[in-house]
Amino acid sequence: GQNIDQPTEMTATEGAIVQINCTYQTSGFNGLFWYQQHAGEAPTFLSYNVLDGLEEKGRFSSFLSRSKGYSYLLLKELQMKDSASYLCAVRGEDSNYQLIWGAGTKLIIKP
Amino acid sequence: DAGVTQSPTHLIKTRGQQVTLRCSPKSGHDTVSWYQQALGQGPQFIFQYYEEEERQRGNFPDRFSGHQFPNYSSELNVNALLLGDSALYLCASSLGVIGERGYEQYFGPGTRLTVT
Repeated sequence: GQNIDQPTEMTATEGAIVQINCTYQTSGFNGLFWYQQHAGEAPTFLSYNVLDGLEEKGRFSSFLSRSKGYSYLLLKELQMKDSASYLCAVRGEDSNYQLIWGAGTKLIIKP
Repeated sequence: DAGVTQSPTHLIKTRGQQVTLRCSPKSGHDTVSWYQQALGQGPQFIFQYYEEEERQRGNFPDRFSGHQFPNYSSELNVNALLLGDSALYLCASSLGVIGERGYEQYFGPGTRLTVT
């Protein structure tokens, strides 16, 4: 079967750094996406990894290891507005271009 | 530049009824995908429309059907509603089937459907 695992909830302090992990087991691999979703709102695209390594974009970075079926999203200099759910999604081969989504990690930022 | 729009925002229906949800893609996009998101869960892919045809479908029963119009807007229809159909329904648009431009999928604000 196909499975994506993320922690259900994490708590961090404003100004700190947090790493949200995602492990996946899919039929093939054609890219991994991270989305941010504030409560009651639509997901917004954060990052896309298809090759191993780190992709940096401002305060957010995403890492991928295809051999380990593992990714993480790193958030630096946390702000209160970063409180949201972070969704990991994988595009496998058998699913054509469908995205297989994790349940999301709810990140709570405390002052 | 208009983003993805969906209507209505909220909807309450009774078991057994039928519902139609609407989506207008981001300007310049021609592909629409529909997702169902239960509370506390990630989105589940329902189907995708491109060139007015259903191109891909997730594991949803035939009660879920859709349509795409020549102007690329789309409708999601759900018949014989069940309590379990209560969810946030998200529409996402992209330019072409997601593949060569993999990350360019933009979501609308969603329609919150409650079935009582």
